[in-house]
Amino acid sequence: QSALTQPPSASGSLGQSVTISCTGTRSDVGGYNFVSWYQHHPGKAPKVMIYEVNKRPSGVPDRFSGSKSGNTASLTVSGLQPEDEADYYCTSYTGNNILLFGGGTKLTVL
Amino acid sequence: QLQLQESGPGLVKPSETLSLTCTVSGGSINSSSYYWGWIRQPPGKGLEWIGGIHYSGSTYYNPSLRSRVSISVDSSKNQFSLKVKSVTAADTAVYYCARRELPEYFQHWGQGSLVTVSS
Repeated sequence: QSALTQPPSASGSLGQSVTISCTGTRSDVGGYNFVSWYQHHPGKAPKVMIYEVNKRPSGVPDRFSGSKSGNTASLTVSGLQPEDEADYYCTSYTGNNILLFGGGTKLTVL
Repeated sequence: QLQLQESGPGLVKPSETLSLTCTVSGGSINSSSYYWGWIRQPPGKGLEWIGGIHYSGSTYYNPSLRSRVSISVDSSKNQFSLKVKSVTAADTAVYYCARRELPEYFQHWGQGSLVTVSS
């Protein structure tokens, strides 16, 4: 299984919006509504920002939203803040209790 | 508040077996609602799911690592463990343990444990 495909980098200005894509196949992203997104600051544990495509855990700002179309899932961060600068990873359920991570996207807030 | 903590040697020699333990506190590992998993991040690379275990003993592994990895659970100690055999430098990584909310996301993570494979 190859990693889900994410752009290596993304950027946006303070207050603007940015969308990060996560492309898989019909065996993973396209086949299940079980895509999650993690924010990872260096030296810290990853933090789940979105699960089941578009659900936000308690405490995650509503500036973070998720969606999916076909084999591609997306994470949108609106109203970019300095603390949003981090690495972002998607992950998808692939059946049989197997998970697959994306390669990660480094988000820069300009 | 649920907490997870990885422990184990920080240095392992090539061809030997890497062993890590995750101790869970603030909650029981004996729950049918969760799996307990391991994820790693090699230096400068992305996250990789290694595998997971249910308290009943059912295990699930990344197909690319299945031949070298085993995960076990010790409910009496509220711990689960990871073993990776025949390690190489490519297994050098920060290893995280985490609780998996079924079916697909990790809500609670340990702080991570750096394991270096070197002679």
